[in-house]
Amino acid sequence: DTGVSQDPRHKITKRGQNVTFRCDPISEHNRLYWYRQTLGQGPEFLTYFQNEAQLEKSRLLSDRFSAERPKGSFSTLEIQRTEQGDSAMYLCASSVTRGPNSPLHFGNGTRLTVT
Amino acid sequence: AQKITQTQPGMFVQEKEAVTLDCTYDTSDQSYGLFWYKQPSSGEMIFLIYQGSYDEQNATEGRYSLNFQKARKSANLVISASQLGDSAMYFCAMSPGRGDTGRRALTFGSGTRLQVQP
Repeated sequence: DTGVSQDPRHKITKRGQNVTFRCDPISEHNRLYWYRQTLGQGPEFLTYFQNEAQLEKSRLLSDRFSAERPKGSFSTLEIQRTEQGDSAMYLCASSVTRGPNSPLHFGNGTRLTVT
Repeated sequence: AQKITQTQPGMFVQEKEAVTLDCTYDTSDQSYGLFWYKQPSSGEMIFLIYQGSYDEQNATEGRYSLNFQKARKSANLVISASQLGDSAMYFCAMSPGRGDTGRRALTFGSGTRLQVQP
């Protein structure tokens, strides 16, 4: 169990540029989540995959955001035409389909700064 | 809609003492799950403890216990014998359903920053 891995750890980009983040979940986990966390706040849900199917999306996920999990393993989150308000920590988490004791396992996050 | 409220932005505790972090919630669901996560400065969210709304006993995990008062809609985290390594942000979260975090997303509170003093 190597944990949830996110890449890159930090990304600085200019407004209007596109960025893509990658998440590698724990290998046997079939569920994958993306959250966004701004300074001083708790994580906010963005979207959720079960295997390769994207089953739920938050209204926070505007048209500029897109997430994929093509083979049910790793996932990518792309933000097009970045805005300064997109600056945040983007957290990925994974879990298994099991009973109540199936917490989300989070990665260390990707910190995005839009200048 | 679910809502989590953590009213303590920051807390201080002396090493080896116990501390209680407050969490209240609001939901119209009959069954739900309650979670506490720790976030050190490294950024990773670490799962600490889980309580199901139908669980009759308060959950415990080592030095962590969850003081669940369903009628008051509170789920306070108690950390006994605080250690310097406990200094971190602590988030309360809830999910609908009987703890199946996979169906719907966790809703998080705004967090409490705990600082353990030597």
